[in-house]
Amino acid sequence: AQSVTQLDSHVSVSEGTPVLLRCNYSSSYSPSLFWYVQHPNKGLQLLLKYTSAATLVKGINGFEAEFKKSETSFHLTKPSAHMSDAAEYFCVVSLTGGGNKLTFGTGTQLKVEL
Amino acid sequence: EAQVTQNPRYLITVTGKKLTVTCSQNMNHEYMSWYRQDPGLGLRQIYYSMNVEVTDKGDVPEGYKVSRKEKRNFPLILESPSPNQTSLYFCASSLSYRDSYEQYFGPGTRLTVT
Repeated sequence: AQSVTQLDSHVSVSEGTPVLLRCNYSSSYSPSLFWYVQHPNKGLQLLLKYTSAATLVKGINGFEAEFKKSETSFHLTKPSAHMSDAAEYFCVVSLTGGGNKLTFGTGTQLKVEL
Repeated sequence: EAQVTQNPRYLITVTGKKLTVTCSQNMNHEYMSWYRQDPGLGLRQIYYSMNVEVTDKGDVPEGYKVSRKEKRNFPLILESPSPNQTSLYFCASSLSYRDSYEQYFGPGTRLTVT
């Protein structure tokens, strides 16, 4: 079985300050991990993915995430928030080599204030 | 342009009136899937298809049907909609079911059943 827990349902930051969105996962096998972003009234877009290569993964729009097996975490970070980053973010797990079943976290709503 | 399209984008209907939400992709993807998104629950998989004529249940299949007669199309059918199926629905596709390839999401269909 696999699952993800997003530790914060809402995060609020000021523009220009760092962003940290936390995600812990549970998986019996080697997981693949993803972060997707959903802007208001839009579909989901892939930000980045980890599939057992480098543990620090860089994505689009300056986001990155680090896979930490010992902590079963895959936190999403960005050094400096921009107003356009305001959106809902989903941490997602699937089994590497185990097909394409995605298990989604419940989402973190990121608010960016001036 | 590579994309997943869904129609309609918005639908209000009454209990018991059969409806179909269409999904089409132009990327020659093998794998297609339907999700529903509800507040606080993230996205949950309804049905998926690994290829033409191959479909299987996801986590929440009750009350839904699907078919995959052509590679590009994967319609979602609600034979007798009920208010608890009021939700935001996403279709997604990826290159293959065999590995954790990126899934591309459609723009979503917001369904209200009264």
